[in-house]
Amino acid sequence: NAGVMQNPRHLVRRRGQEARLRCSPMKGHSHVYWYRQLPEEGLKFMVYLQKENIIDESGMPKERFSAEFPKEGPSILRIQQVVRGDSAAYFCASSPSSEFGANVLTFGAGSRLTVL
Amino acid sequence: EDKVVQSPLSLVVHEGDTVTLNCSYEVTNFRSLLWYKQEKKAPTFLFMLTSSGIEKKSGRLSSILDKKELSSILNITATQTGDSAIYLCASPPGTYKYIFGTGTRLKVLA
Repeated sequence: NAGVMQNPRHLVRRRGQEARLRCSPMKGHSHVYWYRQLPEEGLKFMVYLQKENIIDESGMPKERFSAEFPKEGPSILRIQQVVRGDSAAYFCASSPSSEFGANVLTFGAGSRLTVL
Repeated sequence: EDKVVQSPLSLVVHEGDTVTLNCSYEVTNFRSLLWYKQEKKAPTFLFMLTSSGIEKKSGRLSSILDKKELSSILNITATQTGDSAIYLCASPPGTYKYIFGTGTRLKVLA
């Protein structure tokens, strides 16, 4: 069981470039969540997806950020025209269902984005 | 607004000491409170608490929930350097979004 796999682990981009972060959920998990962790802050919810569906993107900035979880392949968090304030650790988590009262999120190791 | 607050923000102890980490919460439709350990990799799950007053234990770590006080504590006895990490507390309100505290950064000195 490989767990939640995220790549790249580290990504450096210049202002204005695009960042693509990938997440493969644990085997058997069909629910994916993205969280962002800014320095000295807690994890903040960004978006919740199921296969081919965005269920809740209320935590994601409306501009420049998008997420998808296609039928085949990993979930992608895409940040266009990155700015320095996007520098953070982006964590993906997965669960077998969305019943948080009964299921525990399993996290990936995170992707650390640095914007120069 | 739903929130989870952890204290202290950071803690430095010596090996063998016992530490108590605190977490207080204000969430709508409370269902559970979870503790995670975060090192330089994925946050790893420690405990999920749903019932007040029932201690969960795993080795030298234990945790308990107090629904009356809207709080939880995480105890680590006989600390080791390998316990050095950020300990995160989280609670999902009635929906599916975990609300995380900012964490307690624990450093255990040899």
